[in-house]
Amino acid sequence: KNEVEQSPQNLTAQEGEFITINCSYSVGISALHWLQQHPGGGIVSLFMLSSGKKKHGRLIATINIQEKHSSLHITASHPRDSAVYICASTGGNQFYFGTGTSLTVIP
Amino acid sequence: DTGVSQDPRHKITKRGQNVTFRCDPISEHNRLYWYRQTLGQGPEFLTYFQNEAQLEKSRLLSDRFSAERPKGSFSTLEIQRTEQGDSAMYLCASRSGLAGDFFGPGTRLTVL
Repeated sequence: KNEVEQSPQNLTAQEGEFITINCSYSVGISALHWLQQHPGGGIVSLFMLSSGKKKHGRLIATINIQEKHSSLHITASHPRDSAVYICASTGGNQFYFGTGTSLTVIP
Repeated sequence: DTGVSQDPRHKITKRGQNVTFRCDPISEHNRLYWYRQTLGQGPEFLTYFQNEAQLEKSRLLSDRFSAERPKGSFSTLEIQRTEQGDSAMYLCASRSGLAGDFFGPGTRLTVL
């Protein structure tokens, strides 16, 4: 089983702050996903990456294959970024999900 | 609508009743996944289809659960004799090769 661990579990930030969420996984993977889930809402896929770095707007995702580690960064955070961010790995036919990081951005 | 859709979005049922959920994946996505997410937890894999073939099932999927994808397009997930522990968000996702994974909005089941 590919174990996925995220940190921190909960994060509160002031609007405008730079935010980092970390993810570690235990075995080799084919891809690493960052997902976003708003309270009571469905899951939105933010990034799928297998190497390097991807950027979309204020969101940046990086992965280090050797260290089995990925980070999600949010620049100039905004209250609408408040959500649960989930890291998931795929090493076969299914996802292995982390338990998520609950982010609250205060105005 | 080019996204993954699920129906219903919410379902409240009494213990012991049967429920059926539907997922319509993105057209031509050959892989379809069902996940279950309980409050405060990350999603857990239930089952996976490649076209109409159900290729993998989690041990979480007891014999009360059955999933089908008869024509390789939409899929249904049925839970028989529901229990309170079945209360969760049931998520569907579809995948097509390099295009990545797309999640539906989920069906929230409450078993009273």
